[in-house]
Amino acid sequence: NAGVTQTPKFRILKIGQSMTLQCTQDMNHNYMYWYRQDPGMGLKLIYYSVGAGITDKGEVPNGYNVSRSTTEDFPLRLELAAPSQTSVYFCASEGGTSGGANTQYFGPGTRLTVL
Amino acid sequence: GESVGLHLPTLSVQEGDNSIINCAYSNSASDYFIWYKQESGKGPQFIIDIRSNMDKRQGQRVTVLLNKTVKHLSLQIAATQPGDSAVYFCAETYTGGFKTIFGAGTRLFVKA
Repeated sequence: NAGVTQTPKFRILKIGQSMTLQCTQDMNHNYMYWYRQDPGMGLKLIYYSVGAGITDKGEVPNGYNVSRSTTEDFPLRLELAAPSQTSVYFCASEGGTSGGANTQYFGPGTRLTVL
Repeated sequence: GESVGLHLPTLSVQEGDNSIINCAYSNSASDYFIWYKQESGKGPQFIIDIRSNMDKRQGQRVTVLLNKTVKHLSLQIAATQPGDSAVYFCAETYTGGFKTIFGAGTRLFVKA
């Protein structure tokens, strides 16, 4: 299993440009998440999905959109990039552990800079 | 997640010493508590979990302690190594639930 993959790894955008951050998981997990992590800070939930066709807002959804047409893919869209969206973006899917908890499996992240 | 936007607290330990990373949680209804490790430039990775009806669970060089009376969770790392340098997040979740609540994280520096 490749786990959770994210593309691109790095991206520089100009203010007002748009882009889609891709996320794919091959573990057949229903639950998927998008987080952003600003330098030296914790994780903030942007959007999440409990299954194909179902998405909902997290803590900081403004300026972002998501879709979930398949179990595997959960892309994050930035329509009008702003400097405040400079951050590292992590996608995660959720599955079980040997201890019984639902744990999140994170991708390697996309480092986005908006200038 | 409902992480708080604070700069990460830092813990600095000497190589070979034991490390203790602490976390306060908020939800008494949580069924599980999880520790994640995030190395520089990578996403967080699962280390160990503990069910709410336990007070201690041991893994390889790591022990998690849960004190439900004071809503406190700790991660103990034995014989800390340079490879343990990372940010550690605690998290709480519940059976059948899907929204994990992450703590703010603690940065661990290991001095050689």
